[in-house]
Amino acid sequence: EVQLVESGGALVQPGGSLRLSCAASGFTFSNFEMNWVRQAPGKGPEWVSYISSRGRTIYYADSVKGRFTISRDNAKNSLYLQMKSLRAADTAVYYCARVIPFDIVVDSGVINTGYFDSWGQGTLVTVSS
Amino acid sequence: DIQLAQSPSFLSASVGDRVTITCRASQGISTSLAWFQQKPGKAPKLLIYDASSLHSAVPSRFSGSGSGTDFTLIISSLQPEDFATYYCQHLNGYPSPFGQGTRLEIK
Repeated sequence: EVQLVESGGALVQPGGSLRLSCAASGFTFSNFEMNWVRQAPGKGPEWVSYISSRGRTIYYADSVKGRFTISRDNAKNSLYLQMKSLRAADTAVYYCARVIPFDIVVDSGVINTGYFDSWGQGTLVTVSS
Repeated sequence: DIQLAQSPSFLSASVGDRVTITCRASQGISTSLAWFQQKPGKAPKLLIYDASSLHSAVPSRFSGSGSGTDFTLIISSLQPEDFATYYCQHLNGYPSPFGQGTRLEIK
C-alpha cells in the first residue's frame, strides 16, 4: 500500500524557517516524481514545488521561489521542503503528492502529462506572531 | 499560465440526484485534466484523470468528459458519501493549476 506521511509542521513566527518531511513507503520511491501542494484554510489546493525522480529537475511556484527549497533522499525514501522567510500567507496544510506520468498522443505529437495519484495526510504550518 | 475556472462554486442537491460540475481552462489543454474529491480534514482524493479515465476503486457513478477547454464531472446518482468539495487540476508541466472548487452540499 502506498503511504506518504508528512511531518515537521509547526507554529512559526514571520520571517522564520521550517523544514517539512515526507516519508514514503509501499512503492519504489526513487522511480517517482514528487510534489508539494499546500492548502490555506478555506481555500483550494495550490501547487508549490516539483522534483524529478533523481532530483535533477525542480520547479517552484512564483509565490515561493527563492524562499523554499525542495529536495529528496532516495536512499531514505524521503522528500523535503525547506522553507525560509515565512510569511502569514504561507499558512496552510502542506501535502506531498506522487506523480504518475503518462503521455497523450495528439495530432501534433505527444503531450507529456500525468496525475497526482497519492497524497499524504498533510502537515499544518502556521505563520503568526 | 493556464487558469481553471470551475462552476458552480456551490451546489445543493439531494441523494439520488444527477450532478454536473464544469471546469473551463483558459486555453486548450487536450485531455490533461484530473478531478479530485476532498472531505473536511482530509487530503484530496483522485477520481478521474486524463479527463475521463476513472481512477482505481472509484465508483462508476462518477464520470468525466471533455477536451480542449471545457470539461465536466458528472455524478450520476448522488450518494450520502459524495457530499464534499470537488476540484479540477491540470498537469502538463509546471505550474500545475487547480480550480477554485465546487462545494456540494445536501439539500
